[in-house]
Amino acid sequence: GAVVSQHPSRVICKSGTSVKIECRSLDFQATTMFWYRQFPKKSLMLMATSNEGSKATYEQGVEKDKFLINHASLTLSTLTVTSAHPEDSSFYICSASNFGDSRYSAQHFGDGTRLSIL
Amino acid sequence: QKEVEQNSGPLSVPEGAIASLNCTYSDRGSQSFFWYRQYSGKSPELIMSIYSNGDKEDGRFTAQLNKASQYVSLLIRDSQPSDSATYLCAVTLNQAGTALIFGKGTTLSVSS
Repeated sequence: GAVVSQHPSRVICKSGTSVKIECRSLDFQATTMFWYRQFPKKSLMLMATSNEGSKATYEQGVEKDKFLINHASLTLSTLTVTSAHPEDSSFYICSASNFGDSRYSAQHFGDGTRLSIL
Repeated sequence: QKEVEQNSGPLSVPEGAIASLNCTYSDRGSQSFFWYRQYSGKSPELIMSIYSNGDKEDGRFTAQLNKASQYVSLLIRDSQPSDSATYLCAVTLNQAGTALIFGKGTTLSVSS
């Protein structure tokens, strides 16, 4: 149980392109989803927390207009990197949890999306 | 500033040995504690969760928590080369929607 699917796994695109990443909880309802970014040999850095049906809460230093997060249902959250530039190249990982259900209260991670902006 | 500290390693152990990974945290309000394993280029995978003082065992893994010392550890018995990875310690307040605070991870290398 607690399977989180993230798509796509890898994206290579030109500077200025907008990229959408999907995060789905396949076998449980995720009341909360988190988006992280990880640079090589660094730890995960939380970008934002999203609760179903609410606006995402962004961490300090993360531009909400650049990283658009939508959590429209209990099984899907999306992260859109708008007008991506080379410095946005990173490994983006989502996680999902349901704090009301002890089986899924821990965060379970998707497989990540490796974004490369040329 | 809530912090989670881990030795970056690498921690090198021979196959079959016990690997001991340590973590300290700064926020006394932390209630939930997790160990994740992350292989290079992959996302973290949950190994253990622990919520109360003492030991929790799951197969070859044992998590130990001491809230008074703000210390959590992970023991891996009979270490295998496939255990070679980065181990991330993470803590959170026991509040709905609270994000994990990760340590920087300890790299474990198990030699055959």
